[in-house]
Amino acid sequence: SYELTQPPSVSVSPGQTASITCSGNKVGDKYVCWYQQRPGQSPVLIIYQDAKRPSGIPERFSGSNSGNTATLTISGTQAMDEADYYCQAWDSYTAVFGGGTKLAVL
Amino acid sequence: QVQLVESGGGVVQPGRSLRLSCAASGFTFSSYGMHWVRQAPGKGLEWVALIWYDGSDKYYADSVKGRFTISRDNSKNTVYVQMNSLRAEDTAVYYCARDPDGSPYNWYFDLWGRGTLVTVSS
Repeated sequence: SYELTQPPSVSVSPGQTASITCSGNKVGDKYVCWYQQRPGQSPVLIIYQDAKRPSGIPERFSGSNSGNTATLTISGTQAMDEADYYCQAWDSYTAVFGGGTKLAVL
Repeated sequence: QVQLVESGGGVVQPGRSLRLSCAASGFTFSSYGMHWVRQAPGKGLEWVALIWYDGSDKYYADSVKGRFTISRDNSKNTVYVQMNSLRAEDTAVYYCARDPDGSPYNWYFDLWGRGTLVTVSS
């Protein structure tokens, strides 16, 4: 079965840029999306089709996808961005999630 | 107001059954595929099942295939998941989620409910 691998945790200082990777075999051939989940809340879609932002998602969130790695980039990270982030893709009539990355804004 | 509201969770013994419901409002429910996604306590997200906008196709994760059945009633704007032969490892918050794309090759979720907790324990 297809797997997506994320680092368990990433730390960033306020105002700096955070990058969260999502690795999978030829993931660049698939569409990847990203979800943010704050503690005690439901996930929120923040990036779809690799790099598109839904309405209402701040421009500081961006995505890219090529080769074996998709990347979520958060520019000018704010304290409110501290959350769990999940990548997700489709494979063989299954929705596959990465294991999630806890972003700490220190 | 565009929203999804899950219900039906609770504590159930191993081997028993439970049916979850998800009521949709604020959008044309019959135009969207609907998923169930679960999250075990302190763990990540796991996709469970998808039903096509008209109910014509259904897909399941291997972990629930043969035990769970997804269905929908477009007249009631509601999607269901019938969960049989429940196991301890099915303990999770169950979310319903809307699929905005409609493509058979690109599933994702643009609207989530708040979830309902299912605990399988004796």
